[in-house]
Amino acid sequence: AQTVTQSQPEMSVQEAETVTLSCTYDTSESDYYLFWYKQPPSRQMILVIRQEAYKQQNATENRFSVNFQKAAKSFSLKISDSQLGDAAMYFCAYRSWVMSHGGSEKLVFGKGTKLTVNP
Amino acid sequence: EPEVTQTPSHQVTQMGQEVILRCVPISNHLYFYWYRQILGQKVEFLVSFYNNEISEKSEIFDDQFSVERPDGSNFTLKIRSTKLEDSAMYFCASRAGDYSNQPQHFGDGTRLSIL
Repeated sequence: AQTVTQSQPEMSVQEAETVTLSCTYDTSESDYYLFWYKQPPSRQMILVIRQEAYKQQNATENRFSVNFQKAAKSFSLKISDSQLGDAAMYFCAYRSWVMSHGGSEKLVFGKGTKLTVNP
Repeated sequence: EPEVTQTPSHQVTQMGQEVILRCVPISNHLYFYWYRQILGQKVEFLVSFYNNEISEKSEIFDDQFSVERPDGSNFTLKIRSTKLEDSAMYFCASRAGDYSNQPQHFGDGTRLSIL
C-alpha cells in the first residue's frame, strides 16, 4: 500500500520569505499523481498544486512550486514571497489508481504540516 | 467556479442515532468520494463511487456506513448507528470523468459531533 510521510509537523516563515515543506512517499507504481492541498482554519480543502509522475518538469503555480525527485520519491512544496493568507495546514497527497468499475482512485494523505506566517 | 457543496456544516447527534450527510458534487463530475478527518489527524479515504455503485471502500467503511446517489445530483453518506469515534470532519469530493490528471475537488466539510 502507498504511504505518504510529512516529517515536519510544524513550520514557520516570515512574511515575504520562502519556505519549503517536505513530503516523501512510497509506491511500487510508475505512473501516479501527487498533490498539495491547503487547509486553512476554515477547514476546507483547497488544491494548491499537482504533479504528474511521468513529467520531469516541476509544476509551478504562481508563488507555489514543487521539487519532484521521482527516484528519491520526494515531493517538496516551495512557497515564495510568503503571505499571511498562506497560513494553513498543508497536506501532501498521492493519487492511487485502481482499475475497477471503469476506474477509480483514492487519495492517500500525509499527516500534514502546519505553516505559520509571521508578520 | 463550480463547487462541491456539503450540508449541514455542523451536525450534532446522539450516539446510536442515524445521521445522513449530504453533498452536491460538481454537476458534470462522475466520480464521487467521502473522506474523514478526525480532529488533529490526517485525512482518510472512506469510499469511492462511480456509475451508481461503490468502486472501492476502506476498512473504516463497515456495515454501519452506506452511500447513495438518490436523485442524480445529491451524494449522501449515511451512518446507521453512530458511535463516539465517528466524531470527525467528513469531506465529500468529486472528479471529472476522464482519465487525465483531473484532481478531486473537495467540499467545505461537515463537522459531525457525536454526544
